[in-house]
Amino acid sequence: AQTVTQSQPEMSVQEAETVTLSCTYDTSESDYYLFWYKQPPSRQMILVIRQEAYKQQNATENRFSVNFQKAAKSFSLKISDSQLGDAAMYFCAYWGYGQNFVFGPGTRLSVLP
Amino acid sequence: DAGVTQSPTHLIKTRGQHVTLRCSPISGHKSVSWYQQVLGQGPQFIFQYYEKEERGRGNFPDRFSARQFPNYSSELNVNALLLGDSALYLCASSSGTSGGLETQYFGPGTRLLVL
Repeated sequence: AQTVTQSQPEMSVQEAETVTLSCTYDTSESDYYLFWYKQPPSRQMILVIRQEAYKQQNATENRFSVNFQKAAKSFSLKISDSQLGDAAMYFCAYWGYGQNFVFGPGTRLSVLP
Repeated sequence: DAGVTQSPTHLIKTRGQHVTLRCSPISGHKSVSWYQQVLGQGPQFIFQYYEKEERGRGNFPDRFSARQFPNYSSELNVNALLLGDSALYLCASSSGTSGGLETQYFGPGTRLLVL
């Protein structure tokens, strides 16, 4: 079964600085998708960014970018110019064809003013 | 446009009771997924429905069941509640047109407490 691991239960970053959240996963599939979701204290989960495994180019969405290392099964999220509104739980998730979404345990990000 | 809505927002039940949670997807979305999120953990997949048919099922006991209605809204039912069923139950909707992979839009969740 696919598993997703986030080894950093908590992280903190100074406002305007850059932070990287780690995610590793385990799969025997060659084609799949990876996601980062953000869950602010209000609880509503929001998609931050997604990456297709067949694409070598790392996905970017404004201040959010990923470092996708397929061979290492690593999928880290970089947040640049951190803002107070970035404070949330961040979940890494995996989806493969014919399979279900698998979420990691999450990383709680604090942004310090 | 309204997002995904869930009702009720909070619920308190006692062991052995049953509960029904409701979800209305975004207009035009035909797929609904249910997740259980225990405090301090990531969401765990329970069910996905598309066009009223079950498309996927997670590793949950038969006490958990769901259905989807012609208007694409969905209910999650849990029978014989256990203390361990206390969690935030999330509903997510998606277009349903890509074989299960589409951007999922989550609702605010229903917080269930079993005493």
